[in-house]
Amino acid sequence: DQQVKQNSPSLSVQEGRISILNCDYTNSMFDYFLWYKKYPAEGPTFLISISSIKDKNEDGRFTVFLNKSAKHLSLHIVPSQPGDSAVYFCAASGVTGTASKLTFGTGTRLQVTL
Amino acid sequence: GAGVSQSPRYKVAKRGQDVALRCDPISGHVSLFWYQQALGQGPEFLTYFQNEAQLDKSGLPSDRFFAERPEGSVSTLKIQRTQQEDSAVYLCASSSGPREQYFGPGTRLTVT
Repeated sequence: DQQVKQNSPSLSVQEGRISILNCDYTNSMFDYFLWYKKYPAEGPTFLISISSIKDKNEDGRFTVFLNKSAKHLSLHIVPSQPGDSAVYFCAASGVTGTASKLTFGTGTRLQVTL
Repeated sequence: GAGVSQSPRYKVAKRGQDVALRCDPISGHVSLFWYQQALGQGPEFLTYFQNEAQLDKSGLPSDRFFAERPEGSVSTLKIQRTQQEDSAVYLCASSSGPREQYFGPGTRLTVT
């Protein structure tokens, strides 16, 4: 049972345009959401996160939006750059007072074309 | 500063062999996690340590998998009698707080 879903396996965007990556979750106990970026043969790199008490978090070119009622989050990258080409994973956690395991989606491969 | 390191980066094992995978977390990070990533999938949780205590091992797929962190720093994931279905990338992550985790490059295990 996939608790975190990324329904688009791939996305192609032109350089300079906006990239929008989507993620849905089913477990209402999740209260913290993260995006990771992964290049081939490397581990996932933390990108940006959002707590369930917020609906938006921005960091430079990256913005994450959370819609709790729809159990949906999205990552916006503006403007997209060729170096953004990677696999993006959405992850969720539910803290119980100590560190909590992450539940990941299956990833979306973003290709930014010139 | 130094990130999470893992060794070996690649391991080929014959079916039935035992393997040991090492993780060096970021210095001072209390929490350490192991994940397994199959081809085309996202990482899946295996086990979690807070210092030397293994607080959650609910993701270990069988009793052939064993993890330890005896001094609260370096951790080893051991797989006994490897099977073909154990072929995957094994990722280690560490964190200083309850949220963001920082991953190592992973060990790609291939069982032939």
